[in-house]
Amino acid sequence: GENVEQHPSTLSVQEGDSAVIKCTYSDSASNYFPWYKQELGKRPQLIIDIRSNVGEKKDQRIAVTLNKTAKHFSLHITETQPEDSAVYFCAAFNAGGTSYGKLTFGQGTILTVHP
Amino acid sequence: EAQVTQNPRYLITVTGKKLTVTCSQNMNHEYMSWYRQDPGLGLRQIYYSMNVEVTDKGDVPEGYKVSRKEKRNFPLILESPSPNQTSLYFCASSVTAATVLTFGAGSRLTVL
Repeated sequence: GENVEQHPSTLSVQEGDSAVIKCTYSDSASNYFPWYKQELGKRPQLIIDIRSNVGEKKDQRIAVTLNKTAKHFSLHITETQPEDSAVYFCAAFNAGGTSYGKLTFGQGTILTVHP
Repeated sequence: EAQVTQNPRYLITVTGKKLTVTCSQNMNHEYMSWYRQDPGLGLRQIYYSMNVEVTDKGDVPEGYKVSRKEKRNFPLILESPSPNQTSLYFCASSVTAATVLTFGAGSRLTVL
């Protein structure tokens, strides 16, 4: 089945710096890659997603890149702010065969932005 | 208000006592799914449902059952809970598969 590895597990940056979180996946049948942000004590919420027919997507300070050949995708946050502090999860959606519909998450990255 | 509602939000129970965590959505979503969240392990999918009467195993289905008899409801059943099922559980739904998930508020379950 699909395996999603996420790195780093913790990331500490100064306000205004950039943050990059990387994920790799194993199943070439995966074709949808969302990123969720979970603040302390809250439910996960989508911040950005990308489909396999697109290499990059941007939404203000947040961007995601996808390399299908290497099976990895990354989240980029620029000009970080203290309110960006949260746990971030990547995920891969399986669109093929008997696992169609399965969504596999990475282990999560705790991002801390210091003022 | 469009939402996913899960109940109970908190539950302490004992080993072997059957329990059901309910999940209901009011958005006419086709796709529904259950996850458990444990420290260091992220979110792991337990079961998912592409539509009414269609359910499939996720990555960690052992010890759980689900049903999807109506579009809006997707209950999670623990027939004989064990301490290793102590966890934070999230239900989520989306318009179709591979679209934005809306999560419920979570249900914290402790099995003694």
